[in-house]
Amino acid sequence: AQSVTQLGSHVSVSEGALVLLRCNYSSSVPPYLFWYVQYPNQGLQLLLKYTSAATLVKGINGFEAEFKKSETSFHLTKPSAHMSDAAEYFCAVGEAGTALIFGKGTTLSVSS
Amino acid sequence: DTEVTQTPKHLVMGMTNKKSLKCEQHMGHRAMYWYKQKAKKPPELMFVYSYEKLSINESVPSRFSPECPNSSLLNLHLHALQPEDSALYLCASSQLEYTEAFFGQGTRLTVV
Repeated sequence: AQSVTQLGSHVSVSEGALVLLRCNYSSSVPPYLFWYVQYPNQGLQLLLKYTSAATLVKGINGFEAEFKKSETSFHLTKPSAHMSDAAEYFCAVGEAGTALIFGKGTTLSVSS
Repeated sequence: DTEVTQTPKHLVMGMTNKKSLKCEQHMGHRAMYWYKQKAKKPPELMFVYSYEKLSINESVPSRFSPECPNSSLLNLHLHALQPEDSALYLCASSQLEYTEAFFGQGTRLTVV
């Protein structure tokens, strides 16, 4: 069965610093991979998705992620953090026949 | 239009009440979902309606019952809930079960 591991339940960065949120998946076939962001008391918003096209995927709000098959990873990055990036981030994996499976989430804090 | 609309946004109900949560999408998606989310936790899948077939998470108690009147609407009927059922309830839809899901803003449910 598919699984998703997000390393680090809480990541803290300074405004302007690099953001790196880690996600590893387990799959015997190339999956569909997603990053979602959730602000307090709101639903999940899709940041970006990997669907076996380009390995470097650009998303909204300046985020991007790179699919690395050899490392079974799909880490999320942003060159320069903004205060408004503070939120909960979820990595998810999709495979034929099942609904999306979510990681446990990473809380991103941004300090000024 | 990539919007999933949920009503109401907030709901407070007693343990003997019956209430319903409503969800609507107009993206032509054939899969719709109910998730339950506790604070600082990932969404937990409750039900999936995919191409008119219902799939149930076996751990969901029978006091929750889904209804799919048509391919654009999804309801969640609530009856005799417990305080531990207080949570954010999220509706989502997708074209296929493993493709990107679009989420509503959620209903914040409090059981008193």
